[in-house]
Amino acid sequence: EPEVTQTPSHQVTQMGQEVILRCVPISNHLYFYWYRQILGQKVEFLVSFYNNEISEKSEIFDDQFSVERPDGSNFTLKIRSTKLEDSAMYFCASSEWAGASNEQFFGPGTRLTVL
Amino acid sequence: AQTVTQSQPEMSVQEAETVTLSCTYDTSESDYYLFWYKQPPSRQMILVIRQEAYKQQNATENRFSVNFQKAAKSFSLKISDSQLGDAAMYFCAYTLEYGNKLVFGAGTILRVKS
Repeated sequence: EPEVTQTPSHQVTQMGQEVILRCVPISNHLYFYWYRQILGQKVEFLVSFYNNEISEKSEIFDDQFSVERPDGSNFTLKIRSTKLEDSAMYFCASSEWAGASNEQFFGPGTRLTVL
Repeated sequence: AQTVTQSQPEMSVQEAETVTLSCTYDTSESDYYLFWYKQPPSRQMILVIRQEAYKQQNATENRFSVNFQKAAKSFSLKISDSQLGDAAMYFCAYTLEYGNKLVFGAGTILRVKS
């Protein structure tokens, strides 16, 4: 069964460094998402992406964050200058179409630790 | 703004018994969807069940069913005949019918005792 994959599973970085989190969505899906979960807190929406454009973003998704689909398979989240509070689990998701009737399939997550 | 509240941080159930996880939400919209996601220790979230707000009939998926009370903005998950594999974090989530953003509750850890 197709699934969303994410690499790396765990990333450790120094404060101020740039990180790129990678995701491979399910191949026929057109909508892509990033969520994050700070330890012990809610899963929070960051951004949704369709047709090479951001379709919606949250207030968390500030200028330090960017997303890209660099090729036909990868979907990346870049954090330009990491802060301690960026430490979290980052989940990628994809769906075939937009709208609530289309299930979002989640990847296993990347644990980001900022020291 | 839409919010989702799960008031039970942790629940326990004996194997083969039934457990109900609570969820309430706040929205001024009339067309939306509600979901329960399961996040096992491997941490990949899996959709368990979904409910369209316009449907009065409660959704069921095998041993999983919901009690959807639209007026009360309540959406509880009932797991019947609990199994060890049901042990996980369960998240209640909401989205608008034509939206993409999922709004999650804080989650409930379900422990299943043998």
